[in-house]
Amino acid sequence: SAVISQKPSRDICQRGTSLTIQCQVDSQVTMMFWYRQQPGQSLTLIATANQGSEATYESGFVIDKFPISRPNLTFSTLTVSNMSPEDSSIYLCSLRDRAGNEQFFGPGTRLTVL
Amino acid sequence: QKEVEQDPGPLSVPEGAIVSLNCTYSNSAFQYFMWYRQYSRKGPELLMYTYSSGNKEDGRFTAQVDKSSKYISLFIRDSQPSDSATYLCAMSLSGGYNKLIFGAGTRLAVHP
Repeated sequence: SAVISQKPSRDICQRGTSLTIQCQVDSQVTMMFWYRQQPGQSLTLIATANQGSEATYESGFVIDKFPISRPNLTFSTLTVSNMSPEDSSIYLCSLRDRAGNEQFFGPGTRLTVL
Repeated sequence: QKEVEQDPGPLSVPEGAIVSLNCTYSNSAFQYFMWYRQYSRKGPELLMYTYSSGNKEDGRFTAQVDKSSKYISLFIRDSQPSDSATYLCAMSLSGGYNKLIFGAGTRLAVHP
């Protein structure tokens, strides 16, 4: 399986600021995904990121709040904008294998908003 | 009603016990079923992946899918303290790029 890395691994931010999370993969992948895992909750898909096109957002998530970039087949960023304490969560990037069946996750970014 | 229901636990067992983790789901169209293990402060790690009904075994782990009952299970034999983690079930409509729907996760503690 591909090796997925994320930066930063954790951060503590002030209300009203923005944070950009980076996801790097060691092989080329067509589709990458961004998830949120709130404390005590399961994983919720934020958006699907295709290289060269706009990200597709799930219900309840909007581009202004969670802009995503996908400049090439090995890299993506998720920005959490105008943060509030409710955004405190783990943010995970993910990818599917070439066959599109198995899905793998990065180590996550633990965000705390004060 | 959630699409995927999973008992959050926590489940505490002695070392060497057989552990049974379960999920039920409501959408009969789900075809792909996965189990993830997530250690504290880590990302989910894919443990088992099953297509449609039946059993799949990998070492001490067995995944079982009963589509007629809309019920999936993960069995862990000879459980070890290193198995202590949160176990998440996930499923999707088909392969390709249909999104995964996750259960809430079950916390498992295996004590020596």
